[in-house]
Amino acid sequence: SQTIHQWPATLVQPVGSPLSLECTVEGTSNPNLYWYRQAAGRGLQLLFYSVGIGQISSEVPQNLSASRPQDRQFILSSKKLLLSDSGFYLCAWSAISGGTGELFFGEGSRLTVL
Amino acid sequence: GQQLNQSPQSMFIQEGEDVSMNCTSSSIFNTWLWYKQEPGEGPVLLIALYKAGELTSNGRLTAQFGITRKDSFLNISASIPSDVGIYFCAGPESGYALNFGKGTSLLVTP
Repeated sequence: SQTIHQWPATLVQPVGSPLSLECTVEGTSNPNLYWYRQAAGRGLQLLFYSVGIGQISSEVPQNLSASRPQDRQFILSSKKLLLSDSGFYLCAWSAISGGTGELFFGEGSRLTVL
Repeated sequence: GQQLNQSPQSMFIQEGEDVSMNCTSSSIFNTWLWYKQEPGEGPVLLIALYKAGELTSNGRLTAQFGITRKDSFLNISASIPSDVGIYFCAGPESGYALNFGKGTSLLVTP
């Protein structure tokens, strides 16, 4: 069966520090991968999605970037964190391209920027 | 992208009551998905709907894909304390991602 894991689960970082959140999927090949952010426990905002290695689409221009160095690995990064980057970050995968695939989420990573 | 409006924003009910929530879209969807998120965790898919008029159940949960293809409904029968969480509707954004509603927060008292 397919599984998705992301880490770290919790992160407290000072303003201006770098960020790296990692997500891996097991049990499937060529998944679509996504990063969402959830602020204040509501509303899921799509940040990035990827349909293949090295292919990244950004939905919202901001202080973050994403990379997909391997088929089942998706990384969310920042060179310098802002206070507004605080939130709950969710990685997800889907098996079907074309916009009708169900998304399956990881456990989430809570980032607090101080 | 398409706007998804969920209502109500929150519900506070007693154990055993039935719950009904809905989601409307500004444009036509070919798919409706319902997720539940518990505190500190990622959303979990509850029900997927792929055809207008479709009615699908998952235990005490029942969801319907509206005939107009612009709305969907989720009902929970005989609620229990573990139903607590935020319920999200979602539909495909143009391309590959899902667009989510803002969620309905459900609290159930014993």
